[in-house]
Amino acid sequence: NAGVTQTPKFQVLKTGQSMTLQCAQDMNHEYMSWYRQDPGMGLRLIHYSVGAGITDQGEVPNGYNVSRSTTEDFPLRLLSAAPSQTSVYFCASSYIGGASGNTIYFGEGSWLTVV
Amino acid sequence: EDKVVQSPLSLVVHEGDTVTLNCSYEVTNFRSLLWYKQEKKAPTFLFMLTSSGIEKKSGRLSSILDKKELFSILNITATQTGDSAVYLCAVVTGGFKTIFGAGTRLFVKA
Repeated sequence: NAGVTQTPKFQVLKTGQSMTLQCAQDMNHEYMSWYRQDPGMGLRLIHYSVGAGITDQGEVPNGYNVSRSTTEDFPLRLLSAAPSQTSVYFCASSYIGGASGNTIYFGEGSWLTVV
Repeated sequence: EDKVVQSPLSLVVHEGDTVTLNCSYEVTNFRSLLWYKQEKKAPTFLFMLTSSGIEKKSGRLSSILDKKELFSILNITATQTGDSAVYLCAVVTGGFKTIFGAGTRLFVKA
C-alpha cells in the first residue's frame, strides 16, 4: 500500500533556486493539499485541490505554485527559494464526503533547507 | 478568515494524570473536525467529529464536539509517557479546505 508518496525526503537549496516537490497518491482521492510546518508550529495550508484541473490557495500561498493535471499527482513548485521557505512540507489527500468523511492521509514529509 | 485555535499550547503532566485539550474554531462553513497525534513525523489520525454531543472514544482517548459553541475537546485519561506528542486539531470547511491549529505539545513525565 503506497498511500501518499512524497519526494524528495531531504533537499538543500540555494537562495533563488527553483525546485519541485513531488506528491502522488494511489487511493483515487479527490482532495489533495500541501502544508508546511515550521518548528514548534502547526500545519499551515499552502495550496489545495478538490479534483483534477482545480486548485486553490490556502493560508500561505506566496512563493509556491501547484497544478493538478491528474487525480494522482499534485506537485508543489518553489519558484525562487528563500530562506523563509526552510520548513518541513507535508502532502496530504482525502476523499471528499462519503462514509470515510474527510480523514486526511499524509505523506512522510519533505525536509527543505534554503541557504 | 477561517481559523482554528488550540489551547493550551503546551502541557506537562505526570503519568496517570487526565488531560483535556481544547480546540475552538471560526469557519465560514463547517463540515467536520479532525484530531491528529504527531510524534516525530507525519500526523496520525485519531478522530473525526461531525455531530454535536456524540462522544468518540478509542481506548483512553475520547473527543466531543459542540457545534453551537464552536469547540471540541480531546481527553486523555491515565496518561502514559507514550502519549507525549503534539496533538493537532483541524477543521474541514464547506469547500473542503482543511485548516489546522497550532497544536498542543503534551509531555508526560514518568
